[in-house]
Amino acid sequence: EPEVTQTPSHQVTQMGQEVILRCVPISNHLYFYWYRQILGQKVEFLVSFYNNEISEKSEIFDDQFSVERPDGSNFTLKIRSTKLEDSAMYFCASSAAGGPRTDTQYFGPGTRLTVL
Amino acid sequence: AQRVTQPEKLLSVFKGAPVELKCNYSYSGSPELFWYVQYSRQRLQLLLRHISRESIKGFTADLNKGETSFHLKKPFAQEEDSAMYYCALSGYSWGKLQFGAGTQVVVTP
Repeated sequence: EPEVTQTPSHQVTQMGQEVILRCVPISNHLYFYWYRQILGQKVEFLVSFYNNEISEKSEIFDDQFSVERPDGSNFTLKIRSTKLEDSAMYFCASSAAGGPRTDTQYFGPGTRLTVL
Repeated sequence: AQRVTQPEKLLSVFKGAPVELKCNYSYSGSPELFWYVQYSRQRLQLLLRHISRESIKGFTADLNKGETSFHLKKPFAQEEDSAMYYCALSGYSWGKLQFGAGTQVVVTP
């Protein structure tokens, strides 16, 4: 069964550094998402992406964040200048369809980001 | 504003006993509700969604619009049901899932 994959599984970085988290969505899916979960807190929506454009973003997704689909398979989340509070588990998800009534979202295993 | 509330952080039940995980939501329109499960060291995966009206692994959930609830139930808990369960809501937003805080279920023999 196809799965969403994410690399790396754990990323450690210094405050102020740029990080890129990578995801390979399920191959025939068209809608892509990033979520994050700070330790002990809820899973929070960051951004949705379709047709090479951001469809929606949360208030967390400020100017230091960006997403890109650089080729036909990868979907990346870039954090330009990391802060301590960016330490979290970042989940990528994809779905075949989207829109106001979301199709089933399939999640990756997550990347644990630690900012020192 | 849309909100999902799971009041129980931890639910401990004996094998064979019924289990009910509570989920209440706040949303002005007609939401779509989901239950996701995360087994130890595994990814989040969809357990069920209210529009499909299926029973998965013996779990069922009924959307009660009057009480704005979507409680998850299973009549006889099994040890393999031990996991973290998240209730989630999708409204008008473009695919955004709003998650509750999650309930950790521990089934003891």
